[in-house]
Amino acid sequence: NAGVTQTPKFRILKIGQSMTLQCTQDMNHNYMYWYRQDPGMGLKLIYYSVGAGITDKGEVPNGYNVSRSTTEDFPLRLELAAPSQTSVYFCASSIIAGTAYEQYFGPGTRLTVT
Amino acid sequence: RKEVEQDPGPFNVPEGATVAFNCTYSNSASQSFFWYRQDCRKEPKLLMSVYSSGNEDGRFTAQLNRASQYISLLIRDSKLSDSATYLCVVNVGDDYKLSFGAGTTVTVRA
Repeated sequence: NAGVTQTPKFRILKIGQSMTLQCTQDMNHNYMYWYRQDPGMGLKLIYYSVGAGITDKGEVPNGYNVSRSTTEDFPLRLELAAPSQTSVYFCASSIIAGTAYEQYFGPGTRLTVT
Repeated sequence: RKEVEQDPGPFNVPEGATVAFNCTYSNSASQSFFWYRQDCRKEPKLLMSVYSSGNEDGRFTAQLNRASQYISLLIRDSKLSDSATYLCVVNVGDDYKLSFGAGTTVTVRA
């Protein structure tokens, strides 16, 4: 049971390039999330999904896209990378049971756009 | 106003000391509250949920004050391994999205 895995761990992009951050969970969780964390700031929600085929925007969706074709996978796509997207990206998943919804995080992807 | 605000610290305490800190939240409709721990350059992990009546988990005690809209975390008998950033986390509505504070950094020295 690997939990939530993310690839790559690190990436440097040039302005205008695109890339996909991969996220996979093997816990059969229905909810999945993408966050970004800038230095000294709280995690900001980019997109989330309540199940396969369903995605919704979070607080900071501009410049990103997601898809959820399976329960396990929730890739995040960056089109036309900009320096403002330099950040640490965390994927998380959770299973909802009443008010208990612990989110399990992947190890993160550190992205630099120059 | 930010949804969740925390004193960033750092709180620098000796081993064995007690340290406590609060966070405030802006949405009076929030129903669920958590403390997460984040080690340097690592992912956040759930430390404990916060219940209305307050709750303890070993050396950690969490309290909720709905009237003043704040939650607190107290760490007793601090260990070196308690050095981390503690994130205050609150749900933001009827769905299952969470709002994270920027964190309070605690450093326990020998």
